[in-house]
Amino acid sequence: EAQVTQNPRYLITVTGKKLTVTCSQNMNHEYMSWYRQDPGLGLRQIYYSMNVEVTDKGDVPEGYKVSRKEKRNFPLILESPSPNQTSLYFCASSSTSAGEQFFGPGTRLTVL
Amino acid sequence: ILNVEQSPQSLHVQEGDSTNFTCSFPSSNFYALHWYRWETAKSPEALFVMTLNGDEKKKGRISATLNTKEGYSYLYIKGSQPEDSATYLCASHSGSARQLTFGSGTQLTVLP
Repeated sequence: EAQVTQNPRYLITVTGKKLTVTCSQNMNHEYMSWYRQDPGLGLRQIYYSMNVEVTDKGDVPEGYKVSRKEKRNFPLILESPSPNQTSLYFCASSSTSAGEQFFGPGTRLTVL
Repeated sequence: ILNVEQSPQSLHVQEGDSTNFTCSFPSSNFYALHWYRWETAKSPEALFVMTLNGDEKKKGRISATLNTKEGYSYLYIKGSQPEDSATYLCASHSGSARQLTFGSGTQLTVLP
């Protein structure tokens, strides 16, 4: 089954404790991205990747890191989480940057 | 950052009513316009990806039109059903950008 998976689905953590949210897709898509969703603000792009070893900042990259060592994986790293990073996070993949996005199930992160 | 705006922000309709929402986006350097349907506790799912001025797409009772010269798209739902209740997101991609920019969505509630 074609899908995008994310883990964990829910996470409660404390300020400053490094965490990684994994994202994996099995559709051989070149383009992957991370979004955060906050009430009233819609989906905002954090980082995106056009292909392996090619990543770039989206609209709200501060406080986040990503890597793309393999085509299928695109982890999101929060080196020192802060409460303003409490949000719902979605990973998405597509065959091109303008193509239909396939979204993962979402990760609800709470930073205390 | 592209400015993608959706209206109305929320909408309540009776079962059987037809309804429509608007997405406006910058018309300069336009490349693609996406519509997604996002049900509560699920992930956004693509409805349409449109690229050509005058495009009309249809999926069951849902259809969309695109005007790239004036920078707007309409999403229509004919004979709304309670299962149509969701947030409908549009997203625009400009040719020079490598990312989609999402609007904040229209939340539709269909009352039985």
